[in-house]
Amino acid sequence: GAVVSQHPSWVICKSGTSVKIECRSLDFQATTMFWYRQFPKQSLMLMATSNEGSKATYEQGVEKDKFLINHASLTLSTLTVTSAHPEDSSFYICSARQAGGQETQYFGPGTRLLVL
Amino acid sequence: RKEVEQDPGPFNVPEGATVAFNCTYSNSASQSFFWYRQDCRKEPKLLMSVYSSGNEDGRFTAQLNRASQYISLLIRDSKLSDSATYLCVVNGGSGGSNYKLTFGKGTLLTVNP
Repeated sequence: GAVVSQHPSWVICKSGTSVKIECRSLDFQATTMFWYRQFPKQSLMLMATSNEGSKATYEQGVEKDKFLINHASLTLSTLTVTSAHPEDSSFYICSARQAGGQETQYFGPGTRLLVL
Repeated sequence: RKEVEQDPGPFNVPEGATVAFNCTYSNSASQSFFWYRQDCRKEPKLLMSVYSSGNEDGRFTAQLNRASQYISLLIRDSKLSDSATYLCVVNGGSGGSNYKLTFGKGTLLTVNP
């Protein structure tokens, strides 16, 4: 149980295009999903917290107009990297917290983005 | 001071060795503590939670010292499959949210045959 999927698993795009990444909780309802970014040899950095039905909360330094988050249902959150640039190339990982107050976060397998 | 700081590593040990990872955290209000492992190019996976009384799971022992804001992980009789990056993770970021996890940079462990 508690499986989180991400799609796509990797994407290569040209500079200036927008990329949408989906995060789904497959067998549980997730009231909260988290989006992280990890650069090579760096730690995971939280970008934003996504709550179903409300606006996402962004961490300091993360541009909300560049990283659009939509959490339309209890099983799906999407992250859109708008007008991607090479410096946005990174490993994007989502996690989901199960509804009901459990603290454990379940991580998706990640999406590797390369912007040329 | 970084919120979660770990040994920079990397650690290279022979099979069967005992290896210890150290971690300190800056937010004294943090409530929960974890060790995750991350394999190359994969997502982090929960290894174990860390409790105040210390806890053990097979070859893995975790300790927490709240007074000194220090967490440790000990791996005994290391296996080749233990090779991974070990991440110290603390809940409650700078904003005090109960569910925000803050990750250390990780310590790479390579167990050699």
